[in-house]
Amino acid sequence: DGGITQSPKYLFRKEGQNVTLSCEQNLNHDAMYWYRQDPGQGLRLIYYSQIVNDFQKGDIAEGYSVSREKKESFPLTVTSAQKNPTAFYLCASKSVGANVLTFGAGSRLTVL
Amino acid sequence: EDQVTQSPEALRLQEGESSSLNCSYTVSGLRGLFWYRQDPGKGPEFLFTLYSAGEEKEKERLKATLTKKESFLHITAPKPEDSATYLCAAISSGSARQLTFGSGTQLTVLP
Repeated sequence: DGGITQSPKYLFRKEGQNVTLSCEQNLNHDAMYWYRQDPGQGLRLIYYSQIVNDFQKGDIAEGYSVSREKKESFPLTVTSAQKNPTAFYLCASKSVGANVLTFGAGSRLTVL
Repeated sequence: EDQVTQSPEALRLQEGESSSLNCSYTVSGLRGLFWYRQDPGKGPEFLFTLYSAGEEKEKERLKATLTKKESFLHITAPKPEDSATYLCAAISSGSARQLTFGSGTQLTVLP
């Protein structure tokens, strides 16, 4: 079945550590997205990529980095510069020209 | 700046008690209004897209409607399995084709 796989499901990080969240899709979608979800808030866009080797900052990119070396993969690194990284992170994808996003199951990051 | 506001934040219904969720939007040139369902600890699942005022879409006990300022998600005779958070999102001509999400309505249907 086609879909988006995010890993790990749960991740704990000590302050000062960088962590990388994985996102892999087999939907042959061109565009991929990372969102952050906090309680009581809407999804906020961190980074997005519409083509391999190219990506753009979203509304809250500070403290995060991404790469898009393959069409199927869009990993997100949460760096030590992110002041409040504890959140639920969602990866999504869509075909270019389409509007409907398909989401992964999410990764919950907790900073200890 | 595009804004999407959902109300109420939380809603508790008895099984069979119909109600509506509201999504108000302020965007520059609406290109689409989306409804998603999100279960706890999972990613959102797509429900509906509406494109123009007056449009309606239905799926089982859910019906989404759209006006020039807001969208409603009507839930008819809900069941406990309809319990979830319902997210509304809009895409506009002024947003570089990126979605603006509301904060969601957490629906609980009691048996």
